Amino acid sequence: EADIYQTPRYLVIGTGKKITLECSQTMGHDKMYWYQQDPGMELHLIHYSYGVNSTEKGDLSSESTVSRIRTEHFPLTLESARPSHTSQYLCASSVAIGEQFFGPGTRLTVL
Amino acid sequence: DQQVKQNSPSLSVQEGRISILNCDYTNSMFDYFLWYKKYPAEGPTFLISISSIKDKNEDGRFTVFLNKSAKHLSLHIVPSQPGDSAVYFCAASTSYDKVIFGPGTSLSVIP
Repeated sequence: EADIYQTPRYLVIGTGKKITLECSQTMGHDKMYWYQQDPGMELHLIHYSYGVNSTEKGDLSSESTVSRIRTEHFPLTLESARPSHTSQYLCASSVAIGEQFFGPGTRLTVL
Repeated sequence: DQQVKQNSPSLSVQEGRISILNCDYTNSMFDYFLWYKKYPAEGPTFLISISSIKDKNEDGRFTVFLNKSAKHLSLHIVPSQPGDSAVYFCAASTSYDKVIFGPGTSLSVIP
C-alpha cells in the first residue's frame, strides 16, 4: 500500500543529543518536504527536495539538515538538540506542487 | 507577514448544520488553493482544492468557493457531522512554488 511513514512518532531527549527523524514514502514521489508546526500555528516549511541529491532550505530558518540519497527516503538530522527545537515535525511528499501527502508526524520534546 | 490567514481560530457548529470556514490571502500570484484536515496526533490529509480559473469546486459534503477579487476563499461543509471535528488548514501556492499554509481553524461539531 502506498504510504508515507515517519519514525519515531514521539521522542523525548536531553539537550545536546544528536537525533535523526526518519521519513520514507512508497509512492515514488520526487518532491518531499519537512514542516515544523507548533500548536495553533501554521505549518512552516523548513526543508524540501525535488529529487535525489537535491535539497533546499525552506522559509523558516532551521538548524536541522536533510539528505536525499534515495527517492523514498528523506531523513532530518539535528546535530545538537535544544529546548527551542521542541515541536511537531511533519514530512510530506507530492507529485506536483499542490496536493501533498503527509506522514503522521514526530512530536519532539527536548528537555 | 502571513500570506494565508485564517482569522477564526475555532468554530462550533451543531450536527446537521452548515460549517463555513474562511480564509484570506494576500499574494495575488497564488493560483491554486487547498484545504487540509488534521486530527490530533495525525498528519494533515488533503480535503479539496480549487484552481484560480474556477470559483467553486464541490466534492460530496464539501464545497470550496473562491473570490479572487476579494482574495478570499471559504470551505462549506453541509451537513456537518461529529467526525468532521478537526483542525482545517487553508493553503495556497503558485504553479511553480511552495505551498503556504494558514494557521488553521479548529472545528467542533456538537452532536
